Amino acid sequence: KAGVTQTPRYLIKTRGQQVTLSCSPISGHRSVSWYQQTPGQGLQFLFEYFSETQRNKGNFPGRFSGRQFSNSRSEMNVSTLELGDSALYLCASSLGVAQFFGPGTRLTVL
Amino acid sequence: AQTVTQSQPEMSVQEAETVTLSCTYDTSESDYYLFWYKQPPSRQMILVIRQEAYKQQNATENRFSVNFQKAAKSFSLKISDSQLGDAAMYFCAYRRSDTGTASKLTFGTGTRLQVML
Repeated sequence: KAGVTQTPRYLIKTRGQQVTLSCSPISGHRSVSWYQQTPGQGLQFLFEYFSETQRNKGNFPGRFSGRQFSNSRSEMNVSTLELGDSALYLCASSLGVAQFFGPGTRLTVL
Repeated sequence: AQTVTQSQPEMSVQEAETVTLSCTYDTSESDYYLFWYKQPPSRQMILVIRQEAYKQQNATENRFSVNFQKAAKSFSLKISDSQLGDAAMYFCAYRRSDTGTASKLTFGTGTRLQVML
């Protein structure tokens, strides 16, 4: 069974732009969670989607948003990028308790 | 709010030896799950082992085992017969047992494990 895939793997943007990251979960997994990983803040939960509905949300500003499609694929969007948004964005899918992670998208904001 | 603490930023172990990584957590919940994840330099986070809080028996997965002390809120990972491929960042993580609405993982700050020849 294929694992979690994320596209793109690397992204460079400038301040003020917006960006969309994509995540395809493991087949059959209906829950998709997003995390931000930075050297300073570590791993922080952004949000979780289940059956196209946001079920859980972390403590991030409204510039961070997401959605999930009927095939469970998920996207996250960051608008008005700031330098501090530079991070590794990880997506994880779940069928039950354990979450399985994708390789991440490295976002660099210049 | 739940917190997870990993007090060892870095550890090293000789190949074929045993190493133990520490993790403590704070929660008021009685039922929850604990995990160890491994993140090699390739960045992909890999699930190593999980423990259900209601189970007294410590989880084991091949060379990896945990020492779960619920009263002490301690959850350490023991790696036996360490191999070069074990070199990575290891994260301890917590999640509540309510799978419906409490799916988020709370991570510790990680322990970087080096394996020496």
